[in-house]
Amino acid sequence: GQQVMQIPQYQHVQEGEDFTTYCNSSTTLSNIQWYKQRPGGHPVFLIQLVKSGEVKKQKRLTFQFGEAKKNSSLHITATQTTDVGTYFCAGRNTGNQFYFGTGTSLTVIP
Amino acid sequence: DGGITQSPKYLFRKEGQNVTLSCEQNLNHDAMYWYRQDPGQGLRLIYYSQIVNDFQKGDIAEGYSVSREKKESFPLTVTSAQKNPTAFYLCATQQGEISPLHFGNGTRLTVT
Repeated sequence: GQQVMQIPQYQHVQEGEDFTTYCNSSTTLSNIQWYKQRPGGHPVFLIQLVKSGEVKKQKRLTFQFGEAKKNSSLHITATQTTDVGTYFCAGRNTGNQFYFGTGTSLTVIP
Repeated sequence: DGGITQSPKYLFRKEGQNVTLSCEQNLNHDAMYWYRQDPGQGLRLIYYSQIVNDFQKGDIAEGYSVSREKKESFPLTVTSAQKNPTAFYLCATQQGEISPLHFGNGTRLTVT
């Protein structure tokens, strides 16, 4: 069945260091969304990527969608303590279901 | 998100009992979803509904049931047939097919 793998599962960084999480799908995706879940909270939508090779930026966050539309990445430049949380990708297939990655839990050490 | 209410926040039940989790929305979104979240496993889809009086099974529907009698409401019943019901349950809504999912605050269910 559809699988979306996400790595790493956990990442600890010093404040100011960069952070990247990667998402890989076993099948081609129609689009991919990224969510952030703060500890004790619920996932909150960050961004959606639709086009092959698309790159989008939100301040210190850079999102990429692979050329084959099977992988995606989220890169945070110069992490801050406010970046703490779990980042999920969610890939949508042609059947219109979202499949969530396992998430990457980010800890930022001040 | 504002506009999606899940209640209660914490729920405790004895094994063998059915329990119903509430999800109410005032966003006027057509689609509603139930996800289960376990540590290290991300979010897994239980059931979803794209229109009133219609719903489909997700990847882990066994031991769960839903209804969609009103646009605003999509309750989830966790039955005694669910082997490992203790988890964090998230309800979400969606305006259209390519729109983001809007999540409620979740219900943490503990069954002992």
